[in-house]
Formats: sequence, structure tokens, C-alpha cells
Amino acid sequence: NAGVTQTPKFQVLKTGQSMTLQCAQDMNHEYMSWYRQDPGMGLRLIHYSVGAGITDQGEVPNGYNVSRSTTEDFPLRLLSAAPSQTSVYFCASSLGLTNEKLFFGSGTQLSVL
Amino acid sequence: GQQLNQSPQSMFIQEGEDVSMNCTSSSIFNTWLWYKQDPGEGPVLLIALYKAGELTSNGRLTAQFGITRKDSFLNISASIPSDVGIYFCAGRRGIQGAQKLVFGQGTRLTINP
Repeated sequence: NAGVTQTPKFQVLKTGQSMTLQCAQDMNHEYMSWYRQDPGMGLRLIHYSVGAGITDQGEVPNGYNVSRSTTEDFPLRLLSAAPSQTSVYFCASSLGLTNEKLFFGSGTQLSVL
Repeated sequence: GQQLNQSPQSMFIQEGEDVSMNCTSSSIFNTWLWYKQDPGEGPVLLIALYKAGELTSNGRLTAQFGITRKDSFLNISASIPSDVGIYFCAGRRGIQGAQKLVFGQGTRLTINP
């Protein structure tokens, strides 16, 4: 059982470049979310989805876009990367919005130069 | 946004020692979660707590839901090298959904053999 799979593991971008962080889960979870992890801070929610076709903003959504075309996939897009987006990004899923037991992917370490 | 305060921020102990850490908030929470993050991996759920005063164990780990509902505690007995990592607390208020989980900044545990 793969759980939550994130790709790539590492990425270096130049300011202004765009890229998509991939996230897929094989647990038939309705709820999926993206967090960023910065030194000395707790995980901060970027965007989340409660099901295919439904997305909403979290605490720090600026500079990021998401879509949810299938239950399994929840990609995170950076349209024009900025150095402030240098961080470790985690995708997490759970059975549903009311289920707080999140399953996390292994993360993507992104550096924006 | 609101964050939880974890203490201590880092710990350096000898193998075999017991470990205690805590998580505090100025607000009341109805659910407390404890996660562990191994180096280069995503957080993994260790223990979930749902009732004030609740004491729950998972092997050598024991967590408690504070009676004030504003704090939670995690203890690790007889530490071993694989306990190394970052321990995060997370809390949820009321019947809010998973998108309202608040995370602490983590306690980094280092063990000297």
C-alpha cells in the first residue's frame, strides 16, 4: 500500500519559473491538503480539497494554485516561483473533512534562487 | 494564524533516558494529536487524544490530554536511537474540520548513543 506519494523529492527553481508538485493517494481519501514547513514554524495549510472538483484556500494560499480532477490526485502549482516559496512541501490526506487523522507524503524540498 | 507552543524546541539526551515534552495553547482544544517526523520523511501519527484527562499509550510512548484542555504532553520511556526525529503536536477546536488543525513548531530529539 503506497499511501501518499509525492514527486519530486527535491527541486531547484529560478525566480519566475513555474512548476507543479505532484501528490497522489491510493487510500480513496476524500480530503487532501498541501502544507509548507518552514524552520521554527509549524505546518501551515496552503490549500485543501474535500473531494473531486472542490478546493479551498488555507492559511497561506498566495502564489499557489490547486485543482482536484480525480479523487486520487491533488497537484500544487507554483505559477511564478519566488524565493519566499523556498520550503518543504507536504501533501496530506484523510478519509474526510471531519477526520483529523492525516496521512502525510514524504515531502518535496523546494529551493527558489 | 494561531500556533501551538511546543517545549522544549530541542532535546539532547543519552540513549535509555526518558523524554518529556509538552504543547500549550491559549485556546481550548477538543482534539490533540502527536506526530513524529523522521529525517527526510513526512509526519506520521503516533497518538490521538479526544477527552480531557485522557492518557493513551503507544508502546513506549504515552500522551496525555491536559485537564484544562489547553495543553498536552508526550513522554517517551527508555529512549532508543530510532526515537530521533521531530515531534509535532496538533490540535483541533470544537467540531471544526481537518483544515482547522493547528500545528506546533516541533521538538527536535537527538540521542547520543
